[in-house]
Amino acid sequence: GQSLEQPSEVTAVEGAIVQINCTYQTSGFYGLSWYQQHDGGAPTFLSYNALDGLEETGRFSSFLSRSDSYGYLLLQELQMKDSASYFCAVPNNAGNMLTFGGGTRLMVKP
Amino acid sequence: NAGVTQTPKFRVLKTGQSMTLLCAQDMNHEYMYWYRQDPGMGLRLIHYSVGEGTTAKGEVPDGYNVSRLKKQNFLLGLESAAPSQTSVYFCASTAHVRASYEQYFGPGTRLTVT
Repeated sequence: GQSLEQPSEVTAVEGAIVQINCTYQTSGFYGLSWYQQHDGGAPTFLSYNALDGLEETGRFSSFLSRSDSYGYLLLQELQMKDSASYFCAVPNNAGNMLTFGGGTRLMVKP
Repeated sequence: NAGVTQTPKFRVLKTGQSMTLLCAQDMNHEYMYWYRQDPGMGLRLIHYSVGEGTTAKGEVPDGYNVSRLKKQNFLLGLESAAPSQTSVYFCASTAHVRASYEQYFGPGTRLTVT
């Protein structure tokens, strides 16, 4: 089976940097995805790491360490609109389905 | 290009009633998925399809049935609704074989069973 652990809630100040962690246990590992979901909205894809290291996309970066079964999403220059839930997810070995973590609710305060 | 659309957006059912949720995508995607999301929780996979005419069970399939008669449509049926099926239902799709890591989601259907 596959399981993912994320903190349930993180609070940060506008303009700051925040890191959202994800640890996983999987029978096979093929990469780590991140999704953002605003209240009342649909999840939207942010990033995918198949290899170790940091991937940067604007203010958002995602990191993966396969040896530690660990990844994180880094949000820089936080804005109020970044207040949302963030989910990590892993594909199965056939690549045809995703298992999601429970999500981290990020609250950005002025 | 509408992406992934879901019908209806909201629905209230009484226990024992049946209904069908419709998902449509206009991106010619091969894979389609149905998830449920309960308050404050992550997404749990109900059923999925890797192509027209195929379906498979996900993590929480009990009480639901699905059909994929056309590539662009994926239907989720509740034959006899129960209060435990009160949830938000999301449909998603992905284009690539072995690339389920990037999924496109519909806006969701908010279902209440009383």
